[in-house]
Amino acid sequence: GQQVMQIPQYQHVQEGEDFTTYCNSSTTLSNIQWYKQRPGGHPVFLIQLVKSGEVKKQKRLTFQFGEAKKNSSLHITATQTTDVGTYFCAFDNTDKLIFGTGTRLQVFP
Amino acid sequence: ETGVTQSPTHLIKTRGQQVTLRCSSQSGHNTVSWYQQALGQGPQFIFQYYREEENGRGNFPPRFSGLQFPNYSSELNVNALELDDSALYLCASSITGNTEAFFGQGTRLTVV
Repeated sequence: GQQVMQIPQYQHVQEGEDFTTYCNSSTTLSNIQWYKQRPGGHPVFLIQLVKSGEVKKQKRLTFQFGEAKKNSSLHITATQTTDVGTYFCAFDNTDKLIFGTGTRLQVFP
Repeated sequence: ETGVTQSPTHLIKTRGQQVTLRCSSQSGHNTVSWYQQALGQGPQFIFQYYREEENGRGNFPPRFSGLQFPNYSSELNVNALELDDSALYLCASSITGNTEAFFGQGTRLTVV
């Protein structure tokens, strides 16, 4: 079945550094969603992208959907300790979400 | 807070036992999905309920079953628990046609 892989699996950054996680699929996706899960918490919806080449921004977060709709990225500018958590991409497959493998971000003050 | 509540928050069961987990969906949401998240993994889709009927199922055996009630709340039942069933079980509610999912805080199930 369809799967999405995320890289890197882990990322440790110093506060103030940038961070990027990449989501890759072998097949074309109808949409991509991004979720953040804090340690001990539950996934929280961040954004959904549906259009080829779409770019959306939320403050320090920039989300991109590839032209071929097979990959996506989340970039955080100037990380803060509040950005700590695991970031998952997910796509909607007939109303069920298929999650990526996740990227765990650790930010050192 | 999403308005999706799950109970209990933590549970310890013995292998072979049965467990029922509960979820109250967010007001106005008619679709409930259940996910299993093993430690260090992404959530895995178990099944979805819409209008009190199963509407899609992931790669989970029949001993995983569920219900949705007229008020859109839902239960997840797992029979003959196995050690590998130890995980965080997440309920997500949504509105059909709107793919944004709102997750509850989860139930942490430990099977010993």
